[in-house]
Amino acid sequence: GAGVSQSPRYKVAKRGQDVALRCDPISGHVSLFWYQQALGQGPEFLTYFQNEAQLDKSGLPSDRFFAERPEGSVSTLKIQRTQQEDSAVYLCASSRQDEQFFGPGTRLTVL
Amino acid sequence: GESVGLHLPTLSVQEGDNSIINCAYSNSASDYFIWYKQESGKGPQFIIDIRSNMDKRQGQRVTVLLNKTVKHLSLQIAATQPGDSAVYFCAEFSDNRKLIWGLGTSLAVNP
Repeated sequence: GAGVSQSPRYKVAKRGQDVALRCDPISGHVSLFWYQQALGQGPEFLTYFQNEAQLDKSGLPSDRFFAERPEGSVSTLKIQRTQQEDSAVYLCASSRQDEQFFGPGTRLTVL
Repeated sequence: GESVGLHLPTLSVQEGDNSIINCAYSNSASDYFIWYKQESGKGPQFIIDIRSNMDKRQGQRVTVLLNKTVKHLSLQIAATQPGDSAVYFCAEFSDNRKLIWGLGTSLAVNP
């Protein structure tokens, strides 16, 4: 496809379960970003990749959050031992220069 | 600290009227600003951007104004249409090239 895709679109997890969220960026985009968006709020930066290198992970809220992009294309955001406060929409964006193109997000609900 | 905020959390306009959405920022070092539109269930969509060496930039039915003296940004939408109904975010690039987002303004267009 021409845009950023994310899967799954919706995920319901029981507290304590591990989840993995996938992002397929636009082909050729070097930079990839993960954001967390709470209801009614703007996205909050989580982490940033340039190709396969994770250059900034300062926004990850705890060591339960882990992101990877092993081949510089697809990225996975993993959350271990999910908590209720992890419920949010997780957005992925990719860019070639400054403009970031966003995927539709994955809505995570932790029960 | 750095922050981006919006003056009006909600805005209701009549179809065909012009809309103005305002945004304040506090980091005088920011040199690039973007307006995004986010419809329900979708990721943010780029509308228009402006660099700090400009005061005004026009797109199709949209104009962004930047007042660096008072650190104010506005988005003007001409002849607002029902399809413009969404949440609008302003975002700024911080010194370390992260996007910092405001809270968002919900625009409702009445037919």
